[in-house]
Amino acid sequence: QVQLVESGGGLVKPGGSLRLSCGASGFILSDYYMTWIRQAPGKGLEWISYITSSSHTTYYADSVKGRFTISRDNAKNSVYLQMNSLRAEDTALYYCARWVGTTTSYWFDPWGQGTLVTVSS
Amino acid sequence: SYELTQPPSMSVSPGQTASITCSGDDLGDRYTSWYQQKPGQSPVVVIYHNNRRPSGISERFSGSSSGNTATLTISATQALDEADYYCQARDSTTVVFGGGTKLSVL
Repeated sequence: QVQLVESGGGLVKPGGSLRLSCGASGFILSDYYMTWIRQAPGKGLEWISYITSSSHTTYYADSVKGRFTISRDNAKNSVYLQMNSLRAEDTALYYCARWVGTTTSYWFDPWGQGTLVTVSS
Repeated sequence: SYELTQPPSMSVSPGQTASITCSGDDLGDRYTSWYQQKPGQSPVVVIYHNNRRPSGISERFSGSSSGNTATLTISATQALDEADYYCQARDSTTVVFGGGTKLSVL
């Protein structure tokens, strides 16, 4: 079945870096855009980045622009999120999700189980 | 930047209809999706393209959109529908989520 599994989360000090991975199975990754979405403890969902199927284009929320980089390796069925200059406010559960639909009508399905990133000294 | 506004919480009695709203400028000109998130679980899409229901989602879930408001309607609400619900729409090249609505079934 279609499945996404995130990994790479953990405790990091402010200013530090972390690289998240999202392993995809049950579908052809190269056919889909992919996205990262986060959820701070007790808070709502915040979209942070997406990448087109061929990696030609990436987009970021203003809150992470210049600090985070999304990438993918379709041959390895994986999507990545490189996070640099981490701040306390980046503490959240990070979800990977498959983008379904077109560029005007789209939704996210499925979502992974999430990986927790904690930024604290 | 584009914003989507949802009521933070609402309650409904079992068997009644719950209508959760999502407001944004000209939201009716965009496509809205809705996600259900139960405690400790990942979000699941329940409505996409304003009013389409994915396979496996109960027929009790429906959606509509007009003007500045999109609405998720849950008919014959059950205890298992108690969850957080988020709307989502497109803003140019970015993605926007509403703040979420906590639905209590009392």
